[in-house]
Amino acid sequence: DSGVTQTPKHLITATGQRVTLRCSPRSGDLSVYWYQQSLDQGLQFLIQYYNGEERAKGNILERFSAQQFPDLHSELNLSSLELGDSALYFCASSPQAYNEQFFGPGTRLTVL
Amino acid sequence: GNSVTQMEGPVTLSEEAFLTINCTYTATGYPSLFWYVQYPGEGLQLLLKATKADDKGSNKGFEATYRKETTSFHLEKGSVQVSDSAVYFCALNPLSSGSARQLTFGSGTQLTVLP
Repeated sequence: DSGVTQTPKHLITATGQRVTLRCSPRSGDLSVYWYQQSLDQGLQFLIQYYNGEERAKGNILERFSAQQFPDLHSELNLSSLELGDSALYFCASSPQAYNEQFFGPGTRLTVL
Repeated sequence: GNSVTQMEGPVTLSEEAFLTINCTYTATGYPSLFWYVQYPGEGLQLLLKATKADDKGSNKGFEATYRKETTSFHLEKGSVQVSDSAVYFCALNPLSSGSARQLTFGSGTQLTVLP
């Protein structure tokens, strides 16, 4: 158990819908990262937050957004969902001064 | 930009065989290097890491040495077990220390160990 929690574990929805994925980092970790894992694209970095501020952006679509709240949990919002958005979405967190990242169990999103 | 190249899988071995999974990287500066493992239906677990040239990371019988001259970080294990069956990812972080940055991952190598 990495200490990073993600909910829900599975999510099934329809095209055009909007969903919210939630992540709670390890106690004391200020950085939160979101990654997408798909069969064709592999593991891709989406976005990073540090202590509530957006720190870095990767291959995140405009239909996707995220935020980190004062209690440091983070939410990833996916809207106007398409079939191709079906994937595993991982959250990771890291301590302030180190570069190891600890991953949550992931949320499997299926868009029908 | 940064990139990680892993050997293509899948890899199938018999129990107690020797394992090597090749990983090479492209990065500026002095990245930190990692191996993560993903068991079926689970998230990624950090297996081992190395933060500077010639460092050897080791854990659970797995080893990898940070070779700057060949830009490689190959994963090895002397005697694999059925329980090692998983997908292995090589990854780099572009900074050697300090504030964390996003990881760049290789494509992953599926390992199956047969009894």
